[in-house]
Amino acid sequence: TQLLEQSPQFLSIQEGENLTVYCNSSSVFSSLQWYRQEPGEGPVLLVTVVTGGEVKKLKRLTFQFGDARKDSSLHITAAQTGDTGLYLCAGFYSGGYQKVTFGTGTKLQVIP
Amino acid sequence: DVKVTQSSRYLVKRTGEKVFLECVQDMDHENMFWYRQDPGLGLRLIYFSYDVKMKEKGDIPEGYSVSREKKERFSLILESASTNQTSMYLCASSPGSKQNIQYFGAGTRLSVL
Repeated sequence: TQLLEQSPQFLSIQEGENLTVYCNSSSVFSSLQWYRQEPGEGPVLLVTVVTGGEVKKLKRLTFQFGDARKDSSLHITAAQTGDTGLYLCAGFYSGGYQKVTFGTGTKLQVIP
Repeated sequence: DVKVTQSSRYLVKRTGEKVFLECVQDMDHENMFWYRQDPGLGLRLIYFSYDVKMKEKGDIPEGYSVSREKKERFSLILESASTNQTSMYLCASSPGSKQNIQYFGAGTRLSVL
């Protein structure tokens, strides 16, 4: 089983602070996705990154795919209470039919 | 909007019972998935299906089976529930091409006593 380790596991910060969440593996992925899950709901896709070194921005969220396509990071600038939730990365393999591995998750709490 | 509906939000069952978790999607997606979600472990893939009557084992298929008789419906079956199967179960669907968005249901929280 391929493993995707996320760090930190838990993060509690004040509104307005910046934060970075990491997603690391020893495997190479053909692409990687980030999802956010709010309490009582299923995960919802935020972004897909495909090319090594790719950087994508979604308002205050910046996603980066590592050059070797083994790791990724999510940076949030000036966090808001609405950013609270569980963040999950998901790596896709080439060669497997829709085979995907989800990360261990980062639970973010933004305090007003 | 894509809708993935799981039949129950909460279920309480006894050890040894046969348990059915149902999932229905309304977007004619080819692929459907069952995951279990446990704190600190993220989502782990149990089974997936890329067509009617087709199924593939995921990372943790032991103790589970699945059924896909119709394109829109994917069922997860626990033949004889055990306490270590207490978990949150999430169903997802995605269109036919590779590495597409997965659309998730709201989850079923199963407790096995």
